[in-house]
Order: sequence, then structure tokens, then C-alpha cells
Amino acid sequence: SQQGEEDPQALSIQEGENATMNCSYKTSINNLQWYRQNSGRGLVHLILIRSNEREKHSGRLRVTLDTSKKSSSLLITASRAADTASYFCATETQGGSEKLVFGKGMKLTVNP
Amino acid sequence: EPEVTQTPSHQVTQMGQEVILRCVPISNHLYFYWYRQILGQKVEFLVSFYNNEISEKSEIFDDQFSVERPDGSNFTLKIRSTKLEDSAMYFCASSWGAPTGELFFGEGSRLTVL
Repeated sequence: SQQGEEDPQALSIQEGENATMNCSYKTSINNLQWYRQNSGRGLVHLILIRSNEREKHSGRLRVTLDTSKKSSSLLITASRAADTASYFCATETQGGSEKLVFGKGMKLTVNP
Repeated sequence: EPEVTQTPSHQVTQMGQEVILRCVPISNHLYFYWYRQILGQKVEFLVSFYNNEISEKSEIFDDQFSVERPDGSNFTLKIRSTKLEDSAMYFCASSWGAPTGELFFGEGSRLTVL
């Protein structure tokens, strides 16, 4: 089993609707990050939330973190067709590891 | 805006051949990484590099793999004898501060092993 798992694995919505993606993880973390990947492209950092934070906003993005449940959610409000992409959560585990562990990703399709 | 650049964008090679993937990280970044993504699957950590040495590597990063920062700007990943299962998109990333702050990724090098 892997550290970060996004849920649902695919989501299709209409432009203007909100999209919520969830991420669960297994070990204690220092921070959790969300990345976006357009098809065939590199990953782009969206937002980082630290383990002592509960909620963070950036533009149309809202991230929550519940360390007791080992879960995070990414909310994209007022979605646009350009938000169509895969979204990944990534965790930095406690204990000195220097790597980010990525989940499998979630495919979001926003229909115009 | 500074960016991580990777070359080649796509390489096709025969099984058993050596491949070198090149990356130019953002100039003032201190931590460098290689990740790979097999088509449609998760992004897997390969190796992190700091202060001119490997700081962490995954079980995927076996003796067939090596990394080098030969000249202070380039960061290379070498696969000595490619296997079919090495076919993947390889991403270079760099970060400035703490090793797991925001990572800046390149656009990737697609490796196809025939």
C-alpha cells in the first residue's frame, strides 16, 4: 500500500462547479503538497500545507488537513475547462526522509 | 521565470543500451531529484542529490542507475543497461530550501526501450 492515495481516481464535472479531491496517507508527515499535471507535461506545485496547519487557501484552491484522520482534501471552486488535469498529493514523512511520496493521482475533467 | 529544463524530450533506445538523461535545475536551488512515471501510473521517487552526493535513493535506483552533477549546472541520470521496464517518463526536479519544500519539475524525458 502506498503513502498517498487520492480519491476519487477520476472526476468529471461541469464548468462552474466545485471539485473536491481527497488524499489519505499512512504515516506521520511534516507537510502535504498538491501538484497538478497536464497530460504529458511536468508536475506543477499548487499548494503546501504543514502538519500544524488545518486549512490553507490560494486563489480558487482550498486545502484542508486532518492529521488525526491522516487525510487532506483539495477543493477547486468555480472550476474552468483549463483545470482539466491530473492532481497528485505528495507527502513528506517525518523521520528525516528527503523524498516526497506521491499518490497515484486523480484525473479531473471539467466540461465546458 | 526560472525553470527546470530537461533533454531529450523523447529517447528511443534498444534494450541493453546506455542512456543519459540531462537536466538543468534552477540555478540557485540546492536539492535535486529524479522521479519517474510509468504511463498513467504514480510518480515514483528515484534519487535525491545534495551537496554533490546522493542523499537518498529508492529501491528502484539499483546499480544500473547513477547520477552526476558534472559541472555545477547539469544534473544527469544514467541508466547503464536499459531494460524494457525502464520505459517511463523521467522527471527532474529541484528545490531551493528544505529538501521537501516546493519542488520545481521539468517537463520530463520520455524513455522508450525496445
